[in-house]
Amino acid sequence: GQQVMQIPQYQHVQEGEDFTTYCNSSTTLSNIQWYKQRPGGHPVFLIQLVKSGEVKKQKRLTFQFGEAKKNSSLHITATQTTDVGTYFCAGADSSNTGKLIFGQGTTLQVKP
Amino acid sequence: NAGVMQNPRHLVRRRGQEARLRCSPMKGHSHVYWYRQLPEEGLKFMVYLQKENIIDESGMPKERFSAEFPKEGPSILRIQQVVRGDSAAYFCASSPTRTGGLETQYFGPGTRLLVL
Repeated sequence: GQQVMQIPQYQHVQEGEDFTTYCNSSTTLSNIQWYKQRPGGHPVFLIQLVKSGEVKKQKRLTFQFGEAKKNSSLHITATQTTDVGTYFCAGADSSNTGKLIFGQGTTLQVKP
Repeated sequence: NAGVMQNPRHLVRRRGQEARLRCSPMKGHSHVYWYRQLPEEGLKFMVYLQKENIIDESGMPKERFSAEFPKEGPSILRIQQVVRGDSAAYFCASSPTRTGGLETQYFGPGTRLLVL
């Protein structure tokens, strides 16, 4: 079945360093969404990418959707302690019922 | 505009008991999705419902689990005869229309189920 893989699983960085998480799908995606989940919290929607090669920025966060619409990345510049959490990518299932296939997530720890 | 509501936030059950998890979607949203998250893992789709209809239940275990979204009231995920392996966080998400991947799903705070 359709799978979404995400790497790395964990990342520890010093505050101020950059961070990147990568997402790969086994199939072409109609779009990809990114969520952030704080420890003990729930997934909070960050952004949706729809177009091939699309790049979107939110302050220090840069999201990219691959040309083939099978991969995506999230890059955080100059991490802060408030960036701590788990970042999930999620692709819409190819059956088009609306369900999301989530990656396993990348947990970011930021040392002050 | 209140967000997605879930209750209870925490639920403790003994093996063999029933667990009922409730989800009230955002106002104006008629589509509800249930996901399960095991510790240290991502979210796994369980079921997608519209009012009075189950659209996709491909992620639901065949036994002991059921879901409904009645015309009036919240969506309910029911787990009968719980076992320790059911311990997880159960998240509900809602969207205003049939997603088709193009509508954002808004997540509730989740219900953390612990089976003793």
